[in-house]
Amino acid sequence: GQQVMQIPQYQHVQEGEDFTTYCNSSTTLSNIQWYKQRPGGHPVFLIQLVKSGEVKKQKRLTFQFGEAKKNSSLHITATQTTDVGTYFCDYGGSQGNLIFGKGTKLSVKP
Amino acid sequence: EAQVTQNPRYLITVTGKKLTVTCSQNMNHEYMSWYRQDPGLGLRQIYYSMNVEVTDKGDVPEGYKVSRKEKRNFPLILESPSPNQTSLYFCASSPRQGGGYTFGSGTRLTVV
Repeated sequence: GQQVMQIPQYQHVQEGEDFTTYCNSSTTLSNIQWYKQRPGGHPVFLIQLVKSGEVKKQKRLTFQFGEAKKNSSLHITATQTTDVGTYFCDYGGSQGNLIFGKGTKLSVKP
Repeated sequence: EAQVTQNPRYLITVTGKKLTVTCSQNMNHEYMSWYRQDPGLGLRQIYYSMNVEVTDKGDVPEGYKVSRKEKRNFPLILESPSPNQTSLYFCASSPRQGGGYTFGSGTRLTVV
């Protein structure tokens, strides 16, 4: 079935370093969403990307949707301890269902 | 405050004892969904609903039932829980197909 591959599975960084997670699909996606889940918390919607080549920014977070709409990335500049958590991508199936990547767990060492 | 409310937050039950986890949203969203989250397996969709009286199976529907009689409520029913249904469950809602979902705080279920 449809799925997105998310890499890396884990990332450990020193505070102040940059971080990037990638979602890759074998098929063209109509849109992609990104979520953050803090330890012990629930997923929180960050952003939706719809257009080919789209780039959106939220403070230190930069989201990109590939030109072919088969991949997406989330980049965090100068990580902080508050960035700790698991970052998920998901895309909407044709029938309203959601398919999530398995997430990238980010840890930040102060 | 716009939110998705799940109850209970924690539940320990015994094998075979029917239970219901409630989910309610106050945002007039059409789309609602249930997920379970397990270590190493990520978020897996159980059931979803596109509107009142319209539900469909997700990736792991076995052992679960849902109903959508009102727009705001989407309960998850385990008719005969088993230990392999021990998990963290999330309910979520969205105003549109493929849109960003608002998640509830989760229900941690343990079946012994």
